[in-house]
Amino acid sequence: AQRVTQPEKLLSVFKGAPVELKCNYSYSGSPELFWYVQYSRQRLQLLLRHISRESIKGFTADLNKGETSFHLKKPFAQEEDSAMYYCALQGAQKLVFGQGTRLTINP
Amino acid sequence: GAVVSQHPSWVICKSGTSVKIECRSLDFQATTMFWYRQFPKQSLMLMATSNEGSKATYEQGVEKDKFLINHASLTLSTLTVTSAHPEDSSFYICSARDPRTSGYEQYFGPGTRLTVT
Repeated sequence: AQRVTQPEKLLSVFKGAPVELKCNYSYSGSPELFWYVQYSRQRLQLLLRHISRESIKGFTADLNKGETSFHLKKPFAQEEDSAMYYCALQGAQKLVFGQGTRLTINP
Repeated sequence: GAVVSQHPSWVICKSGTSVKIECRSLDFQATTMFWYRQFPKQSLMLMATSNEGSKATYEQGVEKDKFLINHASLTLSTLTVTSAHPEDSSFYICSARDPRTSGYEQYFGPGTRLTVT
């Protein structure tokens, strides 16, 4: 079975502070992992995919197979980063989402 | 990037009636589309995978006679909620993969809010 766990429902940090949104997964195969973001009143959109090893809007995420984690990080949070963040795992048949973390950046 | 649209964006219907929601891929052809349901302050739950020209694949616990999915063309999938009841009120979201990309990422529509009175 495939499962994605985001332990924090809510995360609040001050502008300029580092941010880390945690994601752990459970999957017997070779996972393909994503971070999706949903800004207020907007659709869900892809932020990062692990195979690309890219940095988008200052965010990075590294797949750690030993710890089965795919945490999302940003060194200096900005107010426009406030949004709902979902970690997702593409298994053999479907995309499974974590419960999401609502990130609030305080001025 | 790939764009997916949904129509309507919100709908209110009376209990016992049926409602159809459309999902379109605007700038690409999607052989596979996905339908999700999202309850307030909860994550997305996959309801079914819609395959062009064939029957949809439903997730466990999803009533296929209640949630009818039709994928008649490469750019259109429809979800019909039949004999809707208040407990069917939810946010329904569709997505599609862009075959022009090599990855498995999905592109999401803006969602349809269904309220059954």
